[in-house]
Order: sequence, then structure tokens, then C-alpha cells
Amino acid sequence: DAKTTQPTSMDCAEGRAANLPCNHSTISGNEYVYWYRQIHSQGPQYIIHGLKNNETNEMASLIITEDRKSSTLILPHATLRDTAVYYCIVRVAGQAGTALIFGKGTTLSVSS
Amino acid sequence: DTAVSQTPKYLVTQMGNDKSIKCEQNLGHDTMYWYKQDSKKFLKIMFSYNNKELIINETVPNRFSPKSPDKAHLNLHINSLELGDSAVYFCASSSRPGANVLTFGAGSRLTVL
Repeated sequence: DAKTTQPTSMDCAEGRAANLPCNHSTISGNEYVYWYRQIHSQGPQYIIHGLKNNETNEMASLIITEDRKSSTLILPHATLRDTAVYYCIVRVAGQAGTALIFGKGTTLSVSS
Repeated sequence: DTAVSQTPKYLVTQMGNDKSIKCEQNLGHDTMYWYKQDSKKFLKIMFSYNNKELIINETVPNRFSPKSPDKAHLNLHINSLELGDSAVYFCASSSRPGANVLTFGAGSRLTVL
């Protein structure tokens, strides 16, 4: 799996967009970008993933640069409940015999 | 209905005891996992089962024995508990081995005194 680099922590005001960056300069052509988050005292929660194109769902948007060396997770209107650790993971789809590996992630603090 | 449910949520026990954590998923998934999150908050894969067969065993001490009676259940039994076993244990499931979209349970916090 390609290595990812995320800032240790970020702050965001409630109601504003939270833009969480992830660098993955060694990503290979068949590796996807996945985002999870872990709210305090809960299990990790899948948010979104993408290969090349930008993706949007009810939780967030994922913007992947054209060279695929970095991506940004966007929470368009952050709320206090979005305070969590956000993990960016780069991985080939369907690689049986291995499992998701979580790094240190970015701790996002949303304040009022 | 909780998709992945773990019991108990909290477990406090003495060193040397044996304890079990149970996990059930109602998503119809074939693959289940156990992850451990230590005090430094790192999440590490321990085991994975696919349709009752062990497919991942990440150098976990053999005091830890997973058991999967059917593909909807994956239990974790720990013998001779040690202080270092204190952690939060998360169960997860996915539709197939190698899938990268996992559904996690709420976690079971084990404290060994």
C-alpha cells in the first residue's frame, strides 16, 4: 500500500467547510484513496473512496488531483459531531489476504 | 438494528483470567475482522476470517484464539490475560476478503488490572 501523509491536527469553525489534505505521492495506478473517520469512543466509519475522479456522497466530497499524488476530503458544513480522527488510506481493491492498515490520521476539531 | 454488534462493551478483569468478546454482524458479509486499538490509538489488524476460515493472523500471541462458528459470528477468546492486553478491540466485517469498505462495531474496552 502506498504511504500517506496527513497533518496531525486541524481546526475548523462550525458551519465552515473542513478541507482535510492527504499526500500519497507514491500511489500506483490501481490504488484507490479511502477515507475513514473515528469519532471518540466509536468504531471507525467509512466515508468515501475514489480512484481518479472526484466523488461526492451524503457525508463528504473527495477531490483527487490530476496526478493523483494528493487528495482532499471536504466536509462542506462541519458540525461539532464531525470532530474526529480522519484516516486517509491508499490501497488496491480486492487484495485478499491483507487488511486495511490505519495510520495516525488527522484529528479534526470543530468548534462553535 | 446494529449492523456489527459486540459484547461486552466494557470488560474489567484481573491478570491471568480468561475472557471472551463476542461479535455478530447482520449484513450478510462473508468476511470478519478483529482489530486492536491500544492506548496510543493505533489500530492494528489481528485476525480475519472468511466464511469461517482464518485468512489473516497478524503475529498475535497464541493466547488469543478467534473462533467463527458461522460467517455471521466471530468471537475472540483471550487466555491468561496480561496488563498489555488492555485496549479497545473492534470487530468489523466486509462483503469479501480484501474489500476496503469495512463496517466496524462500537468496540469492546478491555481493562486488565
